[in-house]
Amino acid sequence: EIVMTQSPATLSVSPGERATLSCRASQSVSYSLAWYQQRPGQAPRLLIYGATTRATGIPARFSGSRSGTEFTLTISSLQSEDSAVYFCQQYDEWPVLFGPGTRVDVK
Amino acid sequence: EVQLVESGGGLVQPGGSLRLSCAASGFTFSSYEMNWVRQAPGKGLEWVSYISSSASISYYADSVKGRFTISRDNAKNSLYLQMNSLRAEDTAVYYCARDIAAVVAATLEPDAFDVWGQGTRVTVSS
Repeated sequence: EIVMTQSPATLSVSPGERATLSCRASQSVSYSLAWYQQRPGQAPRLLIYGATTRATGIPARFSGSRSGTEFTLTISSLQSEDSAVYFCQQYDEWPVLFGPGTRVDVK
Repeated sequence: EVQLVESGGGLVQPGGSLRLSCAASGFTFSSYEMNWVRQAPGKGLEWVSYISSSASISYYADSVKGRFTISRDNAKNSLYLQMNSLRAEDTAVYYCARDIAAVVAATLEPDAFDVWGQGTRVTVSS
């Protein structure tokens, strides 16, 4: 079974700064990697799928990239509403698996 | 507006049963494969189950296999999760989630989830 890891566990950044979140798969998942944002008390929201494609309505400051089994979510010019937990998800094979998440605090 | 609304959560004793429902609106429900995902208090996301668009195929996480049953009624635009032999570790918020891609025939492949409900809370405790 694929294992998903994320780093860092928490990230504290100032408004306007850039945040770089990492997700690593224990084996190849090709481009079958998604990123979700979950604000407190809310359901997850799809940000990126196919490792690099922004979902409908997602601002351009969110971008995804892939290098082998390493995936990166970059949030440029952070805003206060970007404070949330970010999860990666592999959907290359069953079972679908999520990473443990990275908490981003914008303050 | 595309929407998923879960219901049916609540407090249940260990060993008990509960049936969750998810009402879909704003899209052609029968064209989408669907899933249940749960989140234990303060924890991450765990995929629970998948069902194909025609309800002919379903998959389960090992943690619920043999105890949970996913189903759907395309005529009623509804998804269900029958949960039996509940355990304390099943305590979580349960979300229904739609696969991102509409399908003509079942793909049986996992996908990203582009629409989520607001969740329904299940607490298993005596």
